[in-house]
Amino acid sequence: DAGITQSPRHKVTETGTPVTLRCHQTENHRYMYWYRQDPGHGLRLIHYSYGVKDTDKGEVSDGYSVSRSKTEDFLLTLESATSSQTSVYFCAISEGTVSGNTIYFGEGSWLTVV
Amino acid sequence: AQTVTQSQPEMSVQEAETVTLSCTYDTSESDYYLFWYKQPPSRQMILVIRQEAYKQQNATENRFSVNFQKAAKSFSLKISDSQLGDAAMYFCAYSDYGQNFVFGPGTRLSVLP
Repeated sequence: DAGITQSPRHKVTETGTPVTLRCHQTENHRYMYWYRQDPGHGLRLIHYSYGVKDTDKGEVSDGYSVSRSKTEDFLLTLESATSSQTSVYFCAISEGTVSGNTIYFGEGSWLTVV
Repeated sequence: AQTVTQSQPEMSVQEAETVTLSCTYDTSESDYYLFWYKQPPSRQMILVIRQEAYKQQNATENRFSVNFQKAAKSFSLKISDSQLGDAAMYFCAYSDYGQNFVFGPGTRLSVLP
C-alpha cells in the first residue's frame, strides 16, 4: 500500500464548470503524477510533479492545471470541464530507490462531464 | 520519445493453462525498467512484475514470469496455471531513470472455466 488517497472517487459535473481532483499521499514521495485512462489509450500522462511547486506537463495537458503546495497533496484542476474530459483519473507516486523506479497508483477518480 | 506497444487487444486462456502476453517498446536508452501491471474490474492498478534492463535474468513472481529480449526490445509476460482471478487488463510499462513512465494500450485477458 503506497498510501495514496484520491478524492472525490466519483463526480458528475456540467460542461463549463471547474473541477478539482485531489491526491493525497502519506509517505513523502517526491514524484507525483496525474494520468487519465480511456479505452484504447491505456494511461496517458497529464501532469507530473517532482517537488513542492515543481510541476511539468505531460502528453495530454491541454485544459488541465495542477498545483502542489505541500509534499503530500497534488491537485488536478479542469478549468472548464468538457465532455472529452470524461474519464477515469489516476494519481500515482513513484518510489525511486537504489534498486530502481516503481510507480504506484491510487484507486482512481471517475469523472463524468454532462 | 519512448513508446510501448501491446499488439493483442484481447486474449483468452483456459483455467489452469498458460498464456503469454506480448509487449514491445522503443527506446534509445541502454538502462531502463519494464513493468507489467494488472487492472481487475475494480480498476485498481496492481504491480505484477518488474525487470531491470541491466539484468540478464528474467524476473519471476510466483506464477508470473517474463521473457525479456533486450536486443529485440521485447518484454512478454507468461502466466502459468491461469486462475479465474487473473482475468483483467494487463498493461506493459517502461520507465527510464528520470522517473518518466510510459504505458502500452493494454491487453484484456479472459480466463475461461
